[in-house]
Amino acid sequence: ILNVEQSPQSLHVQEGDSTNFTCSFPSSNFYALHWYRWETAKSPEALFVMTLNGDEKKKGRISATLNTKEGYSYLYIKGSQPEDSATYLCAFNTNAGKSTFGDGTTLTVKP
Amino acid sequence: EAQVTQNPRYLITVTGKKLTVTCSQNMNHEYMSWYRQDPGLGLRQIYYSMNVEVTDKGDVPEGYKVSRKEKRNFPLILESPSPNQTSLYFCASQGQGGNQPQHFGDGTRLSIL
Repeated sequence: ILNVEQSPQSLHVQEGDSTNFTCSFPSSNFYALHWYRWETAKSPEALFVMTLNGDEKKKGRISATLNTKEGYSYLYIKGSQPEDSATYLCAFNTNAGKSTFGDGTTLTVKP
Repeated sequence: EAQVTQNPRYLITVTGKKLTVTCSQNMNHEYMSWYRQDPGLGLRQIYYSMNVEVTDKGDVPEGYKVSRKEKRNFPLILESPSPNQTSLYFCASQGQGGNQPQHFGDGTRLSIL
């Protein structure tokens, strides 16, 4: 079983703070790294799919970077808002569809 | 509307009574997967399928079966459910290749007494 780790496990910030969290994964046989946002009582929604070393992707105030050689990805949220409160999941994917998720980082943004 | 549909959404049943959770997608996706989610843990892949009649074990396949007879459907079968299979289950579909995002169903909460 592949080891995909996310840190921190949980994070509490004030509205307006910027924050970031980490996903680490095996650096060998890399194919794709996914980020998902998962709100309580809903299903996970895709944020980014990253495939190339040095990739940077952005969606509004959320961005992500990828380092496949050292096996990590960062997710950044600029100017956190209460609606950003959710669990953020990363997943290491093979080209055959095997997907290994981390345990997630739960973000709580206080107004 | 593009969607992944799971049924039932909730089920309470007893140990040993066979059950099937259905999953259907309307996006013509080749790849489909089943996951379970337990408190404090992320999603753990049970089985996945690259196409019709092609399935493979994920990280936690024990006690589960799947079939992929049609591209759109990927049912999860628990032949003899046990209490340790009480969990939240998600079905997901994905365009061909692991470099496409997964689309998740709304989840099925199973309680096995």
